[in-house]
Amino acid sequence: QKEVEQDPGPLSVPEGAIVSLNCTYSNSAFQYFMWYRQYSRKGPELLMYTYSSGNKEDGRFTAQVDKSSKYISLFIRDSQPSDSATYLCAMSVQNNFNKFYFGSGTKLNVKP
Amino acid sequence: GAVVSQHPSRVICKSGTSVKIECRSLDFQATTMFWYRQFPKQSLMLMATSNEGSKATYEQGVEKDKFLINHASLTLSTLTVTSAHPEDSSFYICSARGRGGFEAFFGQGTRLTVV
Repeated sequence: QKEVEQDPGPLSVPEGAIVSLNCTYSNSAFQYFMWYRQYSRKGPELLMYTYSSGNKEDGRFTAQVDKSSKYISLFIRDSQPSDSATYLCAMSVQNNFNKFYFGSGTKLNVKP
Repeated sequence: GAVVSQHPSRVICKSGTSVKIECRSLDFQATTMFWYRQFPKQSLMLMATSNEGSKATYEQGVEKDKFLINHASLTLSTLTVTSAHPEDSSFYICSARGRGGFEAFFGQGTRLTVV
């Protein structure tokens, strides 16, 4: 079983839709949860990170962590064509930022 | 965010030759650099972690003699794929983190094709 599972998609939505991206994980020691956006042929860029459980909001993006279910989500409101990219979740345990466990990424396509 | 520049973005080489990929932190001192490999539709796989001035720590299953990593300065790390074979063809990405920082910033990646 992989440490982090993520549906590869692709996920295709119309412009303006609310997008929900999700990851599940198996290691209960994970404490830091990150979402990266990766455009085609580019390196990932960090969108948001959260520590432990709860929600975090940044503009149109909201990250949620449910540690009891080992489930994290990224919501994108009012999605735009420029949001079209692959979104990767990543996790790490406390005090070890040298080892991130990445999901395989979900490819999102926002149609104009 | 901080800028990490990776070069080249794309390289094609013949089987048996060596290829060097550079990763530079342009506006911060990178005390730790990471090298990843990414296969299509798969997650980033950490290959090795290097701290400036010390030997890289390789992940299990990664051949250190095949993937030579040098982190000689606080702004530059290199990955050399030695005696490359077609199965080494992949997308290689570096990331760098400054002292005391949490976030690691990624380079643009290098698409290596071995023919």
